[in-house]
Amino acid sequence: LAKTTQPISMDSYEGQEVNITCSHNNIATNDYITWYQQFPSQGPRFIIQGYKTKVTNEVASLFIPADRKSSTLSLPRVSLSDTAVYYCLVGDEDTGKLIFGQGTTLQVKP
Amino acid sequence: DGGITQSPKYLFRKEGQNVTLSCEQNLNHDAMYWYRQDPGQGLRLIYYSQIVNDFQKGDIAEGYSVSREKKESFPLTVTSAQKNPTAFYLCASSIVSGNTEAFFGQGTRLTVV
Repeated sequence: LAKTTQPISMDSYEGQEVNITCSHNNIATNDYITWYQQFPSQGPRFIIQGYKTKVTNEVASLFIPADRKSSTLSLPRVSLSDTAVYYCLVGDEDTGKLIFGQGTTLQVKP
Repeated sequence: DGGITQSPKYLFRKEGQNVTLSCEQNLNHDAMYWYRQDPGQGLRLIYYSQIVNDFQKGDIAEGYSVSREKKESFPLTVTSAQKNPTAFYLCASSIVSGNTEAFFGQGTRLTVV
């Protein structure tokens, strides 16, 4: 089962770019990497998913190096409303489990 | 609208009572999951179901039970054997088991009084 490791917390200021890195040393060949955002008392919300290289959508970019043992979520020009917990998730289609790590609490300051 | 619905949003239970949390999805997803979240903590997997009429224990299944009689429904029962049931419970589904593009409900906050 692939495990993920992320920083527990990060601080940033409005308008800055934020990069959150996740380590997943045991990722399997078929596994995708997915990032979620969670606000207090809400369910996590899908942000972005990728397999290799770079993926970009309207809210974030995801950078995955060739060895796929880590990934970096990039949030451009964060605002106060981006204050949340961000989870990196690597799937395990062998067992069917989806195991979340502790997540990274991002605090955006004015 | 397609989605996943949990009910109720808030639930109070007396000690010693069983209580059932509802989770329904109309996304035609095969896989469904139940998580528990304590304040300031991540999500811990209670049970998951890869397909109808089948389910497996997650990391913290003791004191909980589930059923998967219909594809759309995956109710979770918190039994009196669960020592510390007060928590935020989240249900999720994905198109197939292990697929990380999962959709979550809005959660049920259970409080034991």
